[in-house]
Amino acid sequence: AQRVTQPEKLLSVFKGAPVELKCNYSYSGSPELFWYVQYSRQRLQLLLRHISRESIKGFTADLNKGETSFHLKKPFAQEEDSAMYYCALRGLGTGRRALTFGSGTRLQVQP
Amino acid sequence: DGGITQSPKYLFRKEGQNVTLSCEQNLNHDAMYWYRQDPGQGLRLIYYSQIVNDFQKGDIAEGYSVSREKKESFPLTVTSAQKNPTAFYLCASNDREPGGPQHFGPGTRLTVL
Repeated sequence: AQRVTQPEKLLSVFKGAPVELKCNYSYSGSPELFWYVQYSRQRLQLLLRHISRESIKGFTADLNKGETSFHLKKPFAQEEDSAMYYCALRGLGTGRRALTFGSGTRLQVQP
Repeated sequence: DGGITQSPKYLFRKEGQNVTLSCEQNLNHDAMYWYRQDPGQGLRLIYYSQIVNDFQKGDIAEGYSVSREKKESFPLTVTSAQKNPTAFYLCASNDREPGGPQHFGPGTRLTVL
């Protein structure tokens, strides 16, 4: 079984402050981890995936297999970062390509 | 991501009625998925299809049915057996690339009156 946990329902920070959205997972095999973002009145879109190891809109995330975590970080939050963020997992190389999502964290960046 | 369209945007249903939600993609993706999004619960997988004429149940398939007669289409029927159908429904697709991310449609909000 696979499970994704996002412990914070809401994270509120001030503009310019560092942000860390937590994501922990449970999976017996090799995982693929993703972060998706949903801005107000927009569709869910991919923000990051651990395979590409890229930085998007200043966000980064490192897969830590020892701690089974994939926390999303940004050094300086912007107001336009306010959105709903979902961490997701699927098994690498498995037949099932569907994602397992966490319950999401709403990020509010205050001016 | 204009490659995936869902219709209608809003749908109202009376109790006891079946309704069908449309999902179409022009991305030439083999795999398609249906998720249900509820506040505080994230997205949960209803059904998925890896290839035409084949589909599998997800984690919450009871009360739902699907078909995959064409590569570009994956309609979802919410039957009267679904006890709590009011939700936001998202369709997604991806290709067979091992790291290929899923692309999502804009969603359909279903409300049971």
